[in-house]
Amino acid sequence: GESVGLHLPTLSVQEGDNSIINCAYSNSASDYFIWYKQESGKGPQFIIDIRSNMDKRQGQRVTVLLNKTVKHLSLQIAATQPGDSAVYFCAENMRGYSTLTFGKGTMLLVSP
Amino acid sequence: DADVTQTPRNRITKTGKRIMLECSQTKGHDRMYWYRQDPGLGLRLIYYSFDVKDINKGEISDGYSVSRQAQAKFSLSLESAIPNQTALYFCATSERSGEKLFFGSGTQLSVL
Repeated sequence: GESVGLHLPTLSVQEGDNSIINCAYSNSASDYFIWYKQESGKGPQFIIDIRSNMDKRQGQRVTVLLNKTVKHLSLQIAATQPGDSAVYFCAENMRGYSTLTFGKGTMLLVSP
Repeated sequence: DADVTQTPRNRITKTGKRIMLECSQTKGHDRMYWYRQDPGLGLRLIYYSFDVKDINKGEISDGYSVSRQAQAKFSLSLESAIPNQTALYFCATSERSGEKLFFGSGTQLSVL
């Protein structure tokens, strides 16, 4: 079946760098996307979401980009900090469905 | 105080035992969910409920059952636990179907 996936399982960056975490989706009927951060021993925390009628949405130090042509979603984190080290998940909701489908996650490691 | 509270945080049990994981929420949301997280497999939906009289199977409901005792309470049961049910279990709530989920801190279950 169709599913949400990630290109890189682990991303290592230096403190202060910008990070980009990618997510590919295969269902053109998906119309809502969301990013979560999960720190060790904790539940996933909402970061940012975007609807399919938008290409870009910004939050505090984070930006989500949606490219519907190639079915690609990315999360950009500016000036990455050690506290950003975590696993990041993308999820999608297909139009007419009542639940989210999650990708497998990317681990972000930030070195001081 | 946490908005979504799961008990217990950790549980070790033996094969064949009946186990109940509990979830309560103070967010006032009608929609509640149980997810399972395994390394490398992301979050998979077990059951969900959109109100007290509504129960729906998710992707991996076999071997599990749920009870929605009240708007604020949603429990997950394993009638006869088996080792491959060893996983991290998350309860979540949402205000709208298919949109942002609010997660609890998780229950780590080990079945020996």
